[in-house]
Amino acid sequence: EDQVTQSPEALRLQEGESSSLNCSYTVSGLRGLFWYRQDPGKGPEFLFTLYSAGEEKEKERLKATLTKKESFLHITAPKPEDSATYLCAVQAGGYQKVTFGTGTKLQVIP
Amino acid sequence: GAGVSQSPSNKVTEKGKDVELRCDPISGHTALYWYRQSLGQGLEFLIYFQGNSAPDKSGLPSDRFSAERTGGSVSTLTIQRTQQEDSAVYLCASSSRTSGGQVDTQYFGPGTRLTVL
Repeated sequence: EDQVTQSPEALRLQEGESSSLNCSYTVSGLRGLFWYRQDPGKGPEFLFTLYSAGEEKEKERLKATLTKKESFLHITAPKPEDSATYLCAVQAGGYQKVTFGTGTKLQVIP
Repeated sequence: GAGVSQSPSNKVTEKGKDVELRCDPISGHTALYWYRQSLGQGLEFLIYFQGNSAPDKSGLPSDRFSAERTGGSVSTLTIQRTQQEDSAVYLCASSSRTSGGQVDTQYFGPGTRLTVL
């Protein structure tokens, strides 16, 4: 069974203090790893899809990287508006099911 | 274009009543997913549709839960004889395969918050 573990559960940063969120996964035949952002009371918002180890993608202050066992979401010089829960998910094998982690709740303090 | 929409946004019901939750996917998206998100929990997969068929119903928690999709578009999730443990946010997502046909990038609706009293 596919497993996705995110750490830390919660992270509090000062504005401008860069950090990384971790997503460890155990799957058979990874086809894609996804990062989403979820604001309170809203559905998840798509950020990135990574397909293979070594791949990197960037969007504004966010950069996602992928290895064979984990993915990192690097946040550079975060701003208060980056505060949200960040979700990691995987799709693997021949299945359409997407398995989500429980997320990292990020708070950026001005 | 328009995103995924869900209705109602909030639903309060009494224990034992039936509820129907609706999802309108992005036009042209062939795949549709339902998830449940309980307070402080991750997204729990419920069911997946490809077109009108549901090849994966493995996540439905009990036979009180059912879903259908008509015309390859709108989907309805029905919960019969609701219980208090059914209280959660129910999220719908739709997707279309990437150009490489490898994975399904999902786009989510805002969810329906269900409260069972």
